[in-house]
Amino acid sequence: DAKTTQPPSMDCAEGRAANLPCNHSTISGNEYVYWYRQIHSQGPQYIIHGLKNNETNEMASLIITEDRKSSTLILPHATLRDTAVYYCIVGSNFGNEKLTFGTGTRLTIIP
Amino acid sequence: GAVVSQHPSRVICKSGTSVKIECRSLDFQATTMFWYRQFPKQSLMLMATSNEGSKATYEQGVEKDKFLINHASLTLSTLTVTSAHPEDSSFYICSAKPGNFYEQYFGPGTRLTVT
Repeated sequence: DAKTTQPPSMDCAEGRAANLPCNHSTISGNEYVYWYRQIHSQGPQYIIHGLKNNETNEMASLIITEDRKSSTLILPHATLRDTAVYYCIVGSNFGNEKLTFGTGTRLTIIP
Repeated sequence: GAVVSQHPSRVICKSGTSVKIECRSLDFQATTMFWYRQFPKQSLMLMATSNEGSKATYEQGVEKDKFLINHASLTLSTLTVTSAHPEDSSFYICSAKPGNFYEQYFGPGTRLTVT
């Protein structure tokens, strides 16, 4: 799997948009960008994934740059329950290919 | 999203005993399941990949004779920590993939404490 780089921590005010960056400059053509989050002492939760187009679902939006070397996860209206560690992972994830977790970004939503 | 359960959620055992952790996909069939371990303030580390009906593939440095994995059906994988020691105390998390879909769904984790 390609390596990703994320800031170790970020703060965001409650109700504001949280923008979490991720660099993946060595991503290859068939690799997707996945975002998961882990709330303290729980298993990771799938958020969103994309290949090259921007994606949006009920949880978040994913913006991928045209060269695919970086992406941004956007939580449009952050709540206190969004406080978690957010992991950006790249991989083809086809069949039984594994996901390799980096250190992630610890996002703290401030009241 | 799809639901994955783990049992037990917490377990305390004495050093030298064995502990079995179950991982179930509740509403889908999982041809592949993964087992991770997470120490405090660290990221998830993949231990092994389990495919239904075949032997698990272990990551480098993970002892296959100590961490026994069985994936006997499309909805159940088990991890047995044999002869557990205090250094095996950790948060064990499984995940499951429904066929060739792109998402992996994670269980809630099992916190193992070896005394």
